[in-house]
Amino acid sequence: EAGVAQSPRYKIIEKRQSVAFWCNPISGHATLYWYQQILGQGPKLLIQFQNNGVVDDSQLPKDRFSAERLKGVDSTLKIQPAKLEDSAVYLCASSLLAGGDYNEQFFGPGTRLTVL
Amino acid sequence: AQSVAQPEDQVNVAEGNPLTVKCTYSVSGNPYLFWYVQYPNRGLQFLLKYITGDNLVKGSYGFEAEFNKSQTSFHLKKPSALVSDSALYFCAVRDAGGFKTIFGAGTRLFVKA
Repeated sequence: EAGVAQSPRYKIIEKRQSVAFWCNPISGHATLYWYQQILGQGPKLLIQFQNNGVVDDSQLPKDRFSAERLKGVDSTLKIQPAKLEDSAVYLCASSLLAGGDYNEQFFGPGTRLTVL
Repeated sequence: AQSVAQPEDQVNVAEGNPLTVKCTYSVSGNPYLFWYVQYPNRGLQFLLKYITGDNLVKGSYGFEAEFNKSQTSFHLKKPSALVSDSALYFCAVRDAGGFKTIFGAGTRLFVKA
């Protein structure tokens, strides 16, 4: 079974530039998550999709971050403009469902973003 | 609001000795509890979960965890540690009636040969 794919693996940008991350979840997984993991901290949920719809985006800084999930499969997360404090690893995960028992999450390798 | 705490930043144990990584949680309803492991330069991997039933849950790589409702804890354990168990461990909790999973800050396990 193929895992969660993410690209790019690493990205270095200047502050105020824009950046986009891509995620392809495990086939058949209805729920997709984007997390921000700052060094020394646990993953923080940015946005959670159930198929095409957003389940939770309460911690997404909507003035600069946006995300979409086209056709309920792939997803992109964009930051525009980036700030120094956005330097982190961005993790994508997927699970069969958001609710119910089958919601252990499968994580991609992450994208390490450095904002200079 | 739900929360999860991992009181130890790092746990050190000698190879062959038992290990425990602690986790306490707070939810308004019944908890769904998870442990994940993160090896260097790799994504998080699911280890085990508690949904309902037996308080002792067995997972991957010989790990197990004990759910204690009265102490609101879900400690991760292994009878005999391996050097290869050295990694970052995250506890996570979700309210059974909700959709959002909250992760702890992580505990770094160091197993010395």
